[in-house]
Amino acid sequence: DTGVSQNPRHKITKRGQNVTFRCDPISEHNRLYWYRQTLGQGPEFLTYFQNEAQLEKSRLLSDRFSAERPKGSFSTLEIQRTEQGDSAMYLCASTESIGQRETQYFGPGTRLLVL
Amino acid sequence: KQEVTQIPAALSVPEGENLVLNCSFTDSAIYNLQWFRQDPGKGLTSLLLIQSSQREQTSGRLNASLDKSSGRSTLYIAASQPGDSATYLCAVRPIGNTPLVFGKGTRLSVIA
Repeated sequence: DTGVSQNPRHKITKRGQNVTFRCDPISEHNRLYWYRQTLGQGPEFLTYFQNEAQLEKSRLLSDRFSAERPKGSFSTLEIQRTEQGDSAMYLCASTESIGQRETQYFGPGTRLLVL
Repeated sequence: KQEVTQIPAALSVPEGENLVLNCSFTDSAIYNLQWFRQDPGKGLTSLLLIQSSQREQTSGRLNASLDKSSGRSTLYIAASQPGDSATYLCAVRPIGNTPLVFGKGTRLSVIA
């Protein structure tokens, strides 16, 4: 399967714990996006990378959130000191950077539940 | 700030019916508009992408139209089937920006 993959698919944690999610984009896609989706809402942008550079971060990305893409391939999203409000689906998307015709391909998501 | 609205929020139709889902956006300065399908607890599957210069795109029983000047798009589903039951999300890519801006989706149920 050459699509976007995300691990784990599900994560249950207790409030205050740290969690880390991984996204493997489609091979050779140089842009990678993270979105968050809460129940009944559309996905909201968190951050994106062009190769290994983090180019934009949303105001939704508080100090407890950090994302990396160290070698320009896979990416990790870490949430420190989780809160119940962090419970959501975390979606990753990748794309070739081809200007106006860019199409984002989404992974299956990681569903986080903070107890 | 770009805002995307989808109406209705939920829709239930009998199998075989043709239906239309609506999407509106507040700023016409977009590169493109994309329709996605999302099954419960799953990720997003891209259905159709319409560039700002295009008026419509078709794929099988799906047809999406775009009227950029009025900030509207519709997704037409012909001869609906129970397998079409899912949430349908509309998203725009604003000019000068890279992330997509999504609506809240329309939850479709097709009853056999």
